Amino acid sequence: KAGVTQTPRYLIKTRGQQVTLSCSPISGHRSVSWYQQTPGQGLQFLFEYFSETQRNKGNFPGRFSGRQFSNSRSEMNVSTLELGDSALYLCASSPDSRNQPQHFGDGTRLSIL
Amino acid sequence: GQNIDQPTEMTATEGAIVQINCTYQTSGFNGLFWYQQHAGEAPTFLSYNVLDGLEEKGRFSSFLSRSKGYSYLLLKELQMKDSASYLCAAMDSNYQLIWGAGTKLIIKP
Repeated sequence: KAGVTQTPRYLIKTRGQQVTLSCSPISGHRSVSWYQQTPGQGLQFLFEYFSETQRNKGNFPGRFSGRQFSNSRSEMNVSTLELGDSALYLCASSPDSRNQPQHFGDGTRLSIL
Repeated sequence: GQNIDQPTEMTATEGAIVQINCTYQTSGFNGLFWYQQHAGEAPTFLSYNVLDGLEEKGRFSSFLSRSKGYSYLLLKELQMKDSASYLCAAMDSNYQLIWGAGTKLIIKP
């Protein structure tokens, strides 16, 4: 069974630009969550999608948005990039049940110049 | 507010035993997860506890006390490959995971 796939692996952008990250969950997984990870900080929850609906949302500004498609693939968009958005963005998928473990992709490392 | 506390860094010797503690405060509780993350890699699932007690899985065990808001991960017969960050995460009443900053475990020969 293929794991969670995130593209691209690395991305360099400049301030003010926007970026779209992609995540393909494990086949059969309907829940996709997005996290931001920076050195010294825990994973910061961005949002969770389930069956194309945002089920949960963290405390990030509206510049961060996402969506999920009918095949459970998900995208995350960040607009008007700031230097502080430089981070590793991780996507995780899980089956329907909410207390099942999440399976993570290798992440997209976003650098803002 | 919701909070997870775990030590920033721990050092242990190859072959020894180490216990990584985690305390949590969440709005409601639907279980506690432990993940391992090697540098530059994705977190991988280690254990899940929702009832009080000890869950053993090979060299790794995880303990939960719901009344104390406390969990620990016990690693036995440490190997060099166990050098990694260990992440504790509690699931709140909205089934949202609240993550600790992680404990970096350094194993010395």
